[in-house]
Amino acid sequence: RKEVEQDPGPFNVPEGATVAFNCTYSNSASQSFFWYRQDCRKEPKLLMSVYSSGNEDGRFTAQLNRASQYISLLIRDSKLSDSATYLCVVNNNQGGKLIFGQGTELSVKP
Amino acid sequence: DTEVTQTPKHLVMGMTNKKSLKCEQHMGHRAMYWYKQKAKKPPELMFVYSYEKLSINESVPSRFSPECPNSSLLNLHLHALQPEDSALYLCASSQDWGVGTEAFFGQGTRLTVV
Repeated sequence: RKEVEQDPGPFNVPEGATVAFNCTYSNSASQSFFWYRQDCRKEPKLLMSVYSSGNEDGRFTAQLNRASQYISLLIRDSKLSDSATYLCVVNNNQGGKLIFGQGTELSVKP
Repeated sequence: DTEVTQTPKHLVMGMTNKKSLKCEQHMGHRAMYWYKQKAKKPPELMFVYSYEKLSINESVPSRFSPECPNSSLLNLHLHALQPEDSALYLCASSQDWGVGTEAFFGQGTRLTVV
């Protein structure tokens, strides 16, 4: 079993749609959780950190369920510019080692 | 300024060449990383430096040799690479080496080995 698993995608949605990405992690000792966004042939960019209380940044909402070892990202009112690969990332408490999920590709169509 | 700068952006090298990738950050971050990313795959960790000391080597072949001359700079020396080493090489940095610290990535060096 992979340490971090994401929906395989790709997700093809129309503009304005709401889309949800799911991610599970296997190491219950994991402490920090992030969502990164990566555009084609570009570097990953931090989208948001994920906290137990949940957090929201504009159209983006991230949730963490430690009991289920599950992380989610909700994007409301999708824009064309949201098209990218979304990476679920977990720090499993082995120092600076970030574990990446395989990524979920999102394509928002007009 | 959350910027990590990598040079060069593109590199083509032969299997007998020696080249170096460079990474620089001026955010005062004490942890720096090298990742390798193949197409359609997530980044894979290669090395972690914490306070200028090598903390993690993910069993990377010796043809890749990291170096951290100071807290702002990270190099990756390349020698006798194979075509399968062609990939995007990403440098990242974070405030510290530990839990809860977000990592910021450079734009990467796209390496082609011929």
